[in-house]
Amino acid sequence: DVKVTQSSRYLVKRTGEKVFLECVQDMDHENMFWYRQDPGLGLRLIYFSYDVKMKEKGDIPEGYSVSREKKERFSLILESASTNQTSMYLCASKSPVDSPPSFGGYTFGSGTRLTVV
Amino acid sequence: GENVEQHPSTLSVQEGDSAVIKCTYSDSASNYFPWYKQELGKGPQLIIDIRSNVGEKKDQRIAVTLNKTAKHFSLHITETQPEDSAVYFCAASNRLTGRRALTFGSGTRLQVQP
Repeated sequence: DVKVTQSSRYLVKRTGEKVFLECVQDMDHENMFWYRQDPGLGLRLIYFSYDVKMKEKGDIPEGYSVSREKKERFSLILESASTNQTSMYLCASKSPVDSPPSFGGYTFGSGTRLTVV
Repeated sequence: GENVEQHPSTLSVQEGDSAVIKCTYSDSASNYFPWYKQELGKGPQLIIDIRSNVGEKKDQRIAVTLNKTAKHFSLHITETQPEDSAVYFCAASNRLTGRRALTFGSGTRLQVQP
C-alpha cells in the first residue's frame, strides 16, 4: 500500500514565522497535492506538483509556496504565518490512472493541524 | 473552474437504514467522480469512484450513481453500520485535459445510531 507521511501531527507557530510542512510518499508517484481542510468548506487545493521542480497553483495559493526537489517529498511553506492560516493541512499522492488498485485515486496523509497564535 | 456542491452537511440514520449523499458539479468536462471517507484523526480514504462512461457502480453495501445530463452524482450506503459513521467527501476532476486535481465538496458528516 502507498504510504503518505506528514512529518508533524500538531504544530503551534507564532504570527510571522516561516513554517515548513513536510510530506513524503513511498511509491514514486509523480503527482502530489496540498489541501487545507476547514469546517464547512471541505478540502481546498493550495498547490500541486506533477513532477520534480514542477508546481501549479491551486485555488487558494496566496500566502503559501511549495518545494519539490525530490520526487518523494513535497513541502508546503507558509512564508509568514498568519492566524487565518490556522487549519488542518492534508498532503496527497496520486497513483497513475492505469495502476491498481486505485487507478488514479489519491492517498492522503493523516494531516497536520496547524495553529497560528 | 470546477465547483462541487454537496448535501446534506450532516446526516443521522438508524443502524440498518440507508443513507444517501448528493453532489452536483459545474464543469461538463469533468469525467471522474470519486468518494472519500474520513474517519476521526485520519486522512480521507478512497471508497469508490465512477467514471463518466458508467451510470452506476456498486461495491458491497455502497453504490454510486451518475447523471451526466443533470451533472449530479450520489453515494448510497445500504444497511448502515456504526462503523460507517464518518465524514464523506465527493469530488470531481477532468482526467484527460485541463486541471487534473480533484475539486472536493464541503463534506457530509454521517452518524449511524446503534
